[in-house]
Amino acid sequence: GENVEQHPSTLSVQEGDSAVIKCTYSDSASNYFPWYKQELGKRPQLIIDIRSNVGEKKDQRIAVTLNKTAKHFSLHITETQPEDSAVYFCAARKTSYDKVIFGPGTSLSVIP
Amino acid sequence: SAVISQKPSRDICQRGTSLTIQCQVDSQVTMMFWYRQQPGQSLTLIATANQGSEATYESGFVIDKFPISRPNLTFSTLTVSNMSPEDSSIYLCSVVVGLSYEQYFGPGTRLTVT
Repeated sequence: GENVEQHPSTLSVQEGDSAVIKCTYSDSASNYFPWYKQELGKRPQLIIDIRSNVGEKKDQRIAVTLNKTAKHFSLHITETQPEDSAVYFCAARKTSYDKVIFGPGTSLSVIP
Repeated sequence: SAVISQKPSRDICQRGTSLTIQCQVDSQVTMMFWYRQQPGQSLTLIATANQGSEATYESGFVIDKFPISRPNLTFSTLTVSNMSPEDSSIYLCSVVVGLSYEQYFGPGTRLTVT
């Protein structure tokens, strides 16, 4: 079955710097890759996603890139702010009727 | 998206008892899932709740321990049976709306078993 790995497990950056979180997946049939942000004590929230027919997607300060050949995808956060501090999960799924497989998570701390 | 509610939001239960968690969505959804999240951990899929039929369980989860119902397109329940302290966790309902790929989570139920 699908396996999603995520690195680093923890990441600490200065406010204003960029943060990058990388994920790899094992099933080449996966074609949808969402990213979730989970603040302490709250539910995971979908922040951005990308489908396999697109190499990059951007939404304000966040962007996601996908390399289907290498089975890698990454989350980029620019101009980080303290409110970006949270746990970020990458995930992968094949079709809208398949389950989502989550990575282990990255705890991001943005230091003011 | 969809508005998802869960009841109860938290509970403290005695060992050996059972708790039923409800998930209600404000619109018809195609897929409903139940996840468990232990402290500091990722999201582990327990099962897919199928409307009108038995849920599809992931490896390591069984129907006798986690019976699930989904009588219609907007409601599901998860029961945690014969609880032990190891069942202490956050249980989350999650849905996919229509034919989209996007999946949304309920607020979760924090369960503590003593």
